[in-house]
Amino acid sequence: DADVTQTPRNRITKTGKRIMLECSQTKGHDRMYWYRQDPGLGLRLIYYSFDVKDINKGEISDGYSVSRQAQAKFSLSLESAIPNQTALYFCATGDSGPTYYNEQFFGPGTRLTVL
Amino acid sequence: GQQVMQIPQYQHVQEGEDFTTYCNSSTTLSNIQWYKQRPGGHPVFLIQLVKSGEVKKQKRLTFQFGEAKKNSSLHITATQTTDVGTYFCAGTQGGSEKLVFGKGTKLTVNP
Repeated sequence: DADVTQTPRNRITKTGKRIMLECSQTKGHDRMYWYRQDPGLGLRLIYYSFDVKDINKGEISDGYSVSRQAQAKFSLSLESAIPNQTALYFCATGDSGPTYYNEQFFGPGTRLTVL
Repeated sequence: GQQVMQIPQYQHVQEGEDFTTYCNSSTTLSNIQWYKQRPGGHPVFLIQLVKSGEVKKQKRLTFQFGEAKKNSSLHITATQTTDVGTYFCAGTQGGSEKLVFGKGTKLTVNP
């Protein structure tokens, strides 16, 4: 079984709809991240969480919210989806070692299309 | 905010040719990480460099971190079709807890 799973893998929705993307991990990591990938723009950080009670905004948090339900679960919500939120979304996890400089493990991604 | 610039955006090579992608930051980085994303896949961690002037090798891949810790490179010797994908660098600035990714270099290899 995959260490980092994302559901759904693909989603098509309409403008104005509320959407939730879910991420679960079995790696036992404290740190979880949500990224957005657009062609030619690389990976941009939306939100990140270093433990269940810690939520931080990333580079592009406007229009998004998150919830860290447990150490293993981190969900991303689009309260009112708009077409320019069409993108590939990745969840990632990381260990909380002695430094911040630990590798991140990415889930398979969710391809979201907003019509 | 912190930016990490990566060039080239695209690189097309014949199998057997070498390939290099470069990463540059306007500010000193605490570390640099490199990831590979195969077509249709997700980013996978390759390596991390932390020390000034550090050089690491993984088979045909050579990673360097500049003396000033503001630039890095990934060099692939004698590319193979299995090297196809997008290579991303990502760094953190001192005191930051966030990785900032470059836009990636998409490598295609002609057999």
